[in-house]
Amino acid sequence: EPEVTQTPSHQVTQMGQEVILRCVPISNHLYFYWYRQILGQKVEFLVSFYNNEISEKSEIFDDQFSVERPDGSNFTLKIRSTKLEDSAMYFCASTDGRLISYEQYFGPGTRLTVT
Amino acid sequence: GESVGLHLPTLSVQEGDNSIINCAYSNSASDYFIWYKQESGKGPQFIIDIRSNMDKRQGQRVTVLLNKTVKHLSLQIAATQPGDSAVYFCAENYNDYKLSFGAGTTVTVRA
Repeated sequence: EPEVTQTPSHQVTQMGQEVILRCVPISNHLYFYWYRQILGQKVEFLVSFYNNEISEKSEIFDDQFSVERPDGSNFTLKIRSTKLEDSAMYFCASTDGRLISYEQYFGPGTRLTVT
Repeated sequence: GESVGLHLPTLSVQEGDNSIINCAYSNSASDYFIWYKQESGKGPQFIIDIRSNMDKRQGQRVTVLLNKTVKHLSLQIAATQPGDSAVYFCAENYNDYKLSFGAGTTVTVRA
């Protein structure tokens, strides 16, 4: 069964450093997302991406964040200057966008620890 | 504000019993709802979904009920098994496929 993959599984970085989280969505999917989950809290929407542009973003997704689909398979989230409060699990998700279902398939996540 | 929330943060259930997990949503414009299961260290896993033009949908051992009058969503798990222990989230969609998640209910199955 096709699945969303994410690398790395765990990233430790120092405050102020840049990090890039990588995702490979399911191959025939057209919509891509990033969510984050601070430990013990609910999953929060960050950004959605379609047709090579951001379609929606939350208030969390400020100028420090950016997304890119550099090729036909990868989807990345970049945090330019990490802060302690960026420590969280980051989940990538994708959906094929069929009208019948909006089911989003989630990857296993990247745990980001900012020290 | 627009949010989706769960009534209880934890639920303990005896193996073999039925579980009912509740969720209240506030956005009447939401037209699609999903239940996700999240096991420790993993991403959310799709369980079942329901569109706003339905009030009940059944899957394998799971049933989702939607009451639009009171903006309430529930997930029923029949014959709960140890493998059902996880955190369960409801999520709603109303705009451009963005999902808004509730706070989650941790289900613990007692042997």
